[in-house]
Amino acid sequence: AQSVSQHNHHVILSEAASLELGCNYSYGGTVNLFWYVQYPGQHLQLLLKYFSGDPLVKGIKGFEAEFIKSKFSFNLRKPSVQWSDTAEYFCAVTTTSGSRLTFGEGTQLTVNP
Amino acid sequence: DGGITQSPKYLFRKEGQNVTLSCEQNLNHDAMYWYRQDPGQGLRLIYYSQIVNDFQKGDIAEGYSVSREKKESFPLTVTSAQKNPTAFYLCASSLQPGSPLHFGNGTRLTVT
Repeated sequence: AQSVSQHNHHVILSEAASLELGCNYSYGGTVNLFWYVQYPGQHLQLLLKYFSGDPLVKGIKGFEAEFIKSKFSFNLRKPSVQWSDTAEYFCAVTTTSGSRLTFGEGTQLTVNP
Repeated sequence: DGGITQSPKYLFRKEGQNVTLSCEQNLNHDAMYWYRQDPGQGLRLIYYSQIVNDFQKGDIAEGYSVSREKKESFPLTVTSAQKNPTAFYLCASSLQPGSPLHFGNGTRLTVT
C-alpha cells in the first residue's frame, strides 16, 4: 500500500516570502499525485494534480509542484505567498489503477501580513 | 449547483449509540469515499465505493459500516464498536476511481 509523508506540519511565513512544502510518497509503481488545500471554514479543494507528462505542474493561485520520480517527491511551491494563502495543505497519492487516495498528515501554513 | 451535501454539520451522541452520517451528491459521480480527519493525522480512509451496491474497507474501517444502494447516496454509520468516534468526517466523490475528489463540508461528530 502507498503512504505519504509531509515533512513540515506547521510553517509560518511573512507575506512575499517564498514557499516550499515537502511531500514524499512510498510506492513502487505509477502514481497520480495531488495537492489539496483547506482554507479556514471551507471544504477541501483541489490545488493541482499530476497524472503524466511534464513533471512541473501549475495549479490555481500561483502554486506549482514538481514531480521528481527518483526522489519519490512532489513538493509544492509558490514564489511569493499572500496572507490569503493561510490554510492547511494536504499532499495525496493514488495508484493509477486504484481508487484509494492516501493523504499525508497535512501542513498548516500561516502567512503573517 | 452540483456538489456534495453532508448533514448535519454538527452531531452529538451518547456513548454506546449508533449514529448515521448522511452524504448525498448530485455530480453523477461513480465513486464515493468517507474520510476521517484528526489533527496531525491528515485524512484517513474509512470506506469507499466505486459503484452502486459495492464498497470496500479503507484503512480504518473497524467500527464503521456503509451502504451504497443509490448512486447519489453513501451514508456512514458509526457504531458503538468504534473506540474513538469523536472526529471530523468528510465525504467525497470522484467521477471515476483515480480522478480528483470533490469534498463535502464535513460533519463534526462528538460522542460523550
